[in-house]
Amino acid sequence: SQQGEEDPQALSIQEGENATMNCSYKTSINNLQWYRQNSGRGLVHLILIRSNEREKHSGRLRVTLDTSKKSSSLLITASRAADTASYFCATDALGGGADGLTFGKGTHLIIQP
Amino acid sequence: GAGVSQSPRYKVAKRGQDVALRCDPISGHVSLFWYQQALGQGPEFLTYFQNEAQLDKSGLPSDRFFAERPEGSVSTLKIQRTQQEDSAVYLCASSYLPGVISGANVLTFGAGSRLTVL
Repeated sequence: SQQGEEDPQALSIQEGENATMNCSYKTSINNLQWYRQNSGRGLVHLILIRSNEREKHSGRLRVTLDTSKKSSSLLITASRAADTASYFCATDALGGGADGLTFGKGTHLIIQP
Repeated sequence: GAGVSQSPRYKVAKRGQDVALRCDPISGHVSLFWYQQALGQGPEFLTYFQNEAQLDKSGLPSDRFFAERPEGSVSTLKIQRTQQEDSAVYLCASSYLPGVISGANVLTFGAGSRLTVL
């Protein structure tokens, strides 16, 4: 079963615009991570936010976390064609459970040149 | 090597055949994970190794799935008597730290092995 649910499922924007993706999860967590997957490739780690953090930046990426609502958002500013990919949030499970990260279904982002 | 290497990249099997998928993690990485990713879905956890010990296999969908990591480095995921519903991309990931709870463990993924069962 999948812990997280990203929305929207698909997003198409013009190059240069900002892209916002949301993730909701079900159980309490230690950390939340965002990964990117280009077509036919493995996942690449983008950014990690701890449960005691509310916002984090890395280059053109901004992540927020609201543990009271069990939700996170990923903002990509000044999008580029190379940002076209699927984006997944991933959580661990506070208190144990499966040892692996649990991924959402992903948001497929298309940047129109 | 510099990254996580998986082979074969593509495998076509007839229903009922056995397949073996190989993962070569980053040297020195303690943790190794296998995930299954169906088309258009996120990765789903299959199993976890800490060195050579398989500590969690709660995600393996049936007893036809078997994974091993005998020397704590290379791992093999074996699927016996493949079925059409086994068609998916099988992703391997490794990390330096044990598990995902301790610290903030970031996973490095391989490119995956795409299995198609006819």
